Amino acid sequence: DGGITQSPKYLFRKEGQNVTLSCEQNLNHDAMYWYRQDPGQGLRLIYYSQIVNDFQKGDIAEGYSVSREKKESFPLTVTSAQKNPTAFYLCASSIGGSNNQPQHFGDGTRLSIL
Amino acid sequence: RKEVEQDPGPFNVPEGATVAFNCTYSNSASQSFFWYRQDCRKEPKLLMSVYSSGNEDGRFTAQLNRASQYISLLIRDSKLSDSATYLCVVRGYGQNFVFGPGTRLSVLP
Repeated sequence: DGGITQSPKYLFRKEGQNVTLSCEQNLNHDAMYWYRQDPGQGLRLIYYSQIVNDFQKGDIAEGYSVSREKKESFPLTVTSAQKNPTAFYLCASSIGGSNNQPQHFGDGTRLSIL
Repeated sequence: RKEVEQDPGPFNVPEGATVAFNCTYSNSASQSFFWYRQDCRKEPKLLMSVYSSGNEDGRFTAQLNRASQYISLLIRDSKLSDSATYLCVVRGYGQNFVFGPGTRLSVLP
């Protein structure tokens, strides 16, 4: 089945630690995105990538980093510089380009501080 | 003014009721419009795209008014399983998807 796989489902971070969230898609989509959602709040864009080896900062990129070495993979690293990382992280993909196609989401990773 | 605004909610309605959600967007160059639903502690899932002429999918009807920069979602004959948060999403030409804050719906027995 085609889809987006995020792992792990739950992740705990210690103070001063970097952690990496995985996102893999087999939909052959060009564009991939990372969002953060805090309880009772909307989605906020962290980073996005329209094509392999290129990515752009979203609205809340500070304390995060990404890479896009392969079309199907877009991992997100939450660095120790992100002082309030506890949130629900969602990865999404879309066909890309300027078209009317929607985004599709993975089932998310919940990150908490130990 | 936020790029995408939605009814603040929550909406509490009895089973079988008809409920309408409204969404306004500020970017007149917006090209694509969608409604997603998000269940508690889950990822958003596409409910339907919104087309210029309006479109219907079973009990769900979406309308777009470009002149007023307004999108609506109508749910007829509400079911308990319709309880969720409904997200309005707008995309401009060559731009990213912009999510509204969502409107929570609770359908009561």
